[in-house]
Amino acid sequence: EDQVTQSPEALRLQEGESSSLNCSYTVSGLRGLFWYRQDPGKGPEFLFTLYSAGEEKEKERLKATLTKKESFLHITAPKPEDSATYLCAVQESGYSTLTFGKGTMLLVSP
Amino acid sequence: DAGVTQSPTHLIKTRGQQVTLRCSPKSGHDTVSWYQQALGQGPQFIFQYYEEEERQRGNFPDRFSGHQFPNYSSELNVNALLLGDSALYLCASSRTAYNSPLHFGNGTRLTVT
Repeated sequence: EDQVTQSPEALRLQEGESSSLNCSYTVSGLRGLFWYRQDPGKGPEFLFTLYSAGEEKEKERLKATLTKKESFLHITAPKPEDSATYLCAVQESGYSTLTFGKGTMLLVSP
Repeated sequence: DAGVTQSPTHLIKTRGQQVTLRCSPKSGHDTVSWYQQALGQGPQFIFQYYEEEERQRGNFPDRFSGHQFPNYSSELNVNALLLGDSALYLCASSRTAYNSPLHFGNGTRLTVT
């Protein structure tokens, strides 16, 4: 059973059309939830860490939120340069490693 | 300040051969983790090194081995290569603190023919 499930697998938006990406997780004890952005042929780039339910973090057009079972990455008025694969990962209590979901591929058209 | 650097960027090997991939961590980082990313998948944890010892290991066979050097750089070795080993191999570094975010390099693209 997957510990981290991301949806949708792919999302196409028009420039300026806001939307949300979902990351649901099943771990016994969550130490942290991480969001990364990955461009084609590149390594993942760190965006946010969330530690507890109710926490929110913002960066430019992105806002990440966390509940006890899932996290959302809200994208407000996206631009074509926001096109990338967005990866969610969880860190369990007692471990320093990350378990990743398969990612959501976002394409923003002008 | 250089981030995580990996070499080589691309590599083509034949089934049964052995390969060594290299990683230099971000300045100030002491922990190195290796991940395998197949096409269309998220990164899968291989192992993590700290103070020159393997601290944690994912669900990968013994054909995958590693090493960390006193300057914190690291190597990933894969023996008896299989076609299924074709993937992007990512190195990530972090500080010892558990909640320190991983910083990734751009990976080595390994193709096994």
